[in-house]
Amino acid sequence: SSELTQDPAVSVALGQTVRITCQGDSLRTYYASWYQQKPGQAPILVIYAKGYRPSGIPVRFSGSSSGDTASLTITGAQAEDEADYYCHSRDNSGDHLDVFGGGTKLTVL
Amino acid sequence: QVQLQESGPGLVKPSQTLSLTCTVSGGSISSGPYYWSWVRQPAGKGLQWIGRIYTRGSTNSNPSLKSRVTISVDTSKNQFSLKLTSVTAADTALYYCARGGGNFPNWYFDLWGRGTLVTVSS
Repeated sequence: SSELTQDPAVSVALGQTVRITCQGDSLRTYYASWYQQKPGQAPILVIYAKGYRPSGIPVRFSGSSSGDTASLTITGAQAEDEADYYCHSRDNSGDHLDVFGGGTKLTVL
Repeated sequence: QVQLQESGPGLVKPSQTLSLTCTVSGGSISSGPYYWSWVRQPAGKGLQWIGRIYTRGSTNSNPSLKSRVTISVDTSKNQFSLKLTSVTAADTALYYCARGGGNFPNWYFDLWGRGTLVTVSS
């Protein structure tokens, strides 16, 4: 399968914990990477591999995976975390093509 | 640090070819175990992976666009390029170039350009 499925929208109260999920058959083979995109800006990588954070990404961002589902967790969400979040992986085709999830709009209340 | 910058016409007529270039600065396009991709985003919609190229020259593209996509690399200019033929209004989008990295089973895009808006209209 070449599809990654995300919930279109999720909300969280300021300071609370939120989990954003990404589901797809290929996630049984590949890790997901996660991207944050704010309005008018390019995406930035926030999580890759087994939950690693690039330099500069706050520790409140974490990642995990189980079976066909990958999760991005924000522990203690801040107002500045309000953004669109996309998962990415490769598919199970012979060419192992890159694929993005449809994105999740996170609202911080 | 390494930066990516997209360039190309912002307006393309229907049925013509969209041509974009991504210039890599601050480092060599040939260095490191990277691959180079194009990603697009129609207004108000999600990210769509278009295709990728390795500096050795091998390419892959999204099956939904495959017959119209050509990606090439010019290591002497530290650039890679996208050509998308027979464009329609549905190809109107913000086009990003991105650097891919990692190894099995972990792949990711750690560097992105700012994006360039391409509008298909007569």
